[in-house]
Amino acid sequence: QVRLQESGPGLVKPSETLSLTCTVSGASIRRSSYFWAWIRQPPGKGLEWIGTFFHIGESRYNPSLKSRVTISADTSVNQISLNLTSVTAADTAVYFCAMVRGVPFDYWGQGTLVSVSS
Amino acid sequence: QVVVTQEPSFSVSPGGTVTLTCALNSGSVSSSYYPSWYQQTPGQPPRTLIYSTNTRSSRVPDRFSGSILGNKAALTITGAQADDESDYYCALFLENDTVLFGGGTKLTV
Repeated sequence: QVRLQESGPGLVKPSETLSLTCTVSGASIRRSSYFWAWIRQPPGKGLEWIGTFFHIGESRYNPSLKSRVTISADTSVNQISLNLTSVTAADTAVYFCAMVRGVPFDYWGQGTLVSVSS
Repeated sequence: QVVVTQEPSFSVSPGGTVTLTCALNSGSVSSSYYPSWYQQTPGQPPRTLIYSTNTRSSRVPDRFSGSILGNKAALTITGAQADDESDYYCALFLENDTVLFGGGTKLTV
C-alpha cells in the first residue's frame, strides 16, 4: 500500500522560504520508474502543478515558479522535499505531493495547508 | 500564456449523461498532450480517473470515459450518480514534461 504524507510548517512569513517534506511508504523513491510531483491548491481555487522530480539532477518546474522552486530527494529516509523561496500571500495553498507510476499522479497525499502571513 | 479552459460548472440529472471538456487556448488538444482527468470532493485529494486520453485508472467505474472531441479533450459520465457530484480537473502534459491543469468544472448531480 503506497502512502504519501506531507509535513511542514503551517504558517510561513512573507519573503521567507516554504519548506515541505513528503514521506513515502510502500514504494522506494530510488526506483527509476517512479516520479514525484508537488501540486498546490489555493483555498477555493483550482490545482496548480509546481514541479516533478524525475531523478537526482533532473526536475521540471512550472515556468511561473521556476525561479523560486527546488524539489529534491533524500533516499536515506525515502522523502521528497519542496522548497519555495520568497513567498507571498499568493502562495497560501494546500500543498499535495503525488506519485507518477505509469499513471500520472497515481497516488496523492492528503495535502497540507500552508498559510503565508506575518 | 498557455491556458487550459474547462466549463466552470455543469449540471446533470441522476442517470443522465454529461460531457465535460478541456480546451487549449494555443490550439487543439490531441492525444500527444496525454490528457488526464481528476475527480475531487471537498477536503479530499484529487483522484485520477482517466489518463492518456482514454485509459481508465484502476477501480474507476466504466461509466467514466475519456476521448478527444473535435479540438478538445472530453470526459463523459454515462448514467451519472449522486456521488459523482464533485469538482473535475483536466491536465495536459506539455513539452519538456511540464503539466498544466484546467480551472476545473463543478459538477452538480
